[in-house]
Amino acid sequence: DTEVTQTPKHLVMGMTNKKSLKCEQHMGHRAMYWYKQKAKKPPELMFVYSYEKLSINESVPSRFSPECPNSSLLNLHLHALQPEDSALYLCASSQEVGRTYNEQFFGPGTRLTVL
Amino acid sequence: DAKTTQPTSMDCAEGRAANLPCNHSTISGNEYVYWYRQIHSQGPQYIIHGLKNNETNEMASLIITEDRKSSTLILPHATLRDTAVYYCIALSTGNQFYFGTGTSLTVIP
Repeated sequence: DTEVTQTPKHLVMGMTNKKSLKCEQHMGHRAMYWYKQKAKKPPELMFVYSYEKLSINESVPSRFSPECPNSSLLNLHLHALQPEDSALYLCASSQEVGRTYNEQFFGPGTRLTVL
Repeated sequence: DAKTTQPTSMDCAEGRAANLPCNHSTISGNEYVYWYRQIHSQGPQYIIHGLKNNETNEMASLIITEDRKSSTLILPHATLRDTAVYYCIALSTGNQFYFGTGTSLTVIP
């Protein structure tokens, strides 16, 4: 199984809502990533988890809260988002951070709209 | 990580080879060159990577110049399904992917 799954595919939320994005992989990978992608722009790295510990936070606002409950699962909790946070949120995984090479497998993304 | 520069867009006739260039003039000796592509509104897909030698797999070939300051991704027989944005990334061990703006390839029937 070389697939990264993300749920939901689409999410519409108001600025006062709390919601969560979910990402799952069963490849035994120990590194997992969240990216944000605005329309017609490249993906931007948000967070990196290595062995279930947060290793990189790219100065992401606290209204985005990542969580890695186990090695297969990665969540992104959303609270008090702004309309400009509307984007495609991509999850990825790789064997581990620090390998000689580091192929990342991406999920299909969650299309988030904040009203 | 080295900055990469790619043309904004390219066209290629269906069935012909698509040659996508990438400049990475500040690449260091331990930085790999990765290529990914992203078909509209899907997650990026790994294509190929290399360090010094040319590489080939079932999807593409990667040609890296001897001084490693540039590379070319070759799709030998482009199809309409190859229309996508192609990203070239120079990455050192332990570091992360920082995507450049990529090349939007359009395969024309």
